[in-house]
Amino acid sequence: DTAVSQTPKYLVTQMGNDKSIKCEQNLGHDTMYWYKQDSKKFLKIMFSYNNKELIINETVPNRFSPKSPDKAHLNLHINSLELGDSAVYFCASSPTSPRAQYFGPGTRLLVL
Amino acid sequence: AQSVTQPDIHITVSEGASLELRCNYSYGATPYLFWYVQSPGQGLQLLLKYFSGDTLVQGIKGFEAEFKRSQSSFNLRKPSVHWSDAAEYFCAVGPYGGSQGNLIFGKGTKLSVKP
Repeated sequence: DTAVSQTPKYLVTQMGNDKSIKCEQNLGHDTMYWYKQDSKKFLKIMFSYNNKELIINETVPNRFSPKSPDKAHLNLHINSLELGDSAVYFCASSPTSPRAQYFGPGTRLLVL
Repeated sequence: AQSVTQPDIHITVSEGASLELRCNYSYGATPYLFWYVQSPGQGLQLLLKYFSGDTLVQGIKGFEAEFKRSQSSFNLRKPSVHWSDAAEYFCAVGPYGGSQGNLIFGKGTKLSVKP
């Protein structure tokens, strides 16, 4: 019954590794997002997809690559992980209109 | 530029007391406004939203917020706080970047509740 789900919930890895975070929503929404929450709890948009098409790509290193196989899924792949990538990553989704966003539980990434 | 300011980083209130969390925004058009709550170790839960119409909006868990265009504010209120309300509260405005754009979040206000 979870509306927006993310896996894994926790991810601990070494610098230089490549990892993926998966996100799925069963709300029938057209738009999905990835946000990064830093250690000071500040939330910042990374990417936005609408119907599998990228519509927002903020200033994010190209080591981060979103992939949307269908409109219910938006995965985040991170290459060559760095210490500064340690954060909580939230997936969200929204209908086309109105634009309330619904968030997943977050993935806590720790890069050692 | 669009922005959201939550002037209070941390607020402590006694259980049963009233609460008001402040939010000011800067936005070029009529904004959509939101309040989210994040409990420790959890995701963000939507408390309430304002799109248009009545400027006093009711949300879940007994929260309400009032949109004041003249003050560019959207303050969150609750008449009687419960210990379970202790959490981080985020105000957000959007959409930014087009009709399908993202939200811009404030930096959050941490609420602590004293017994």
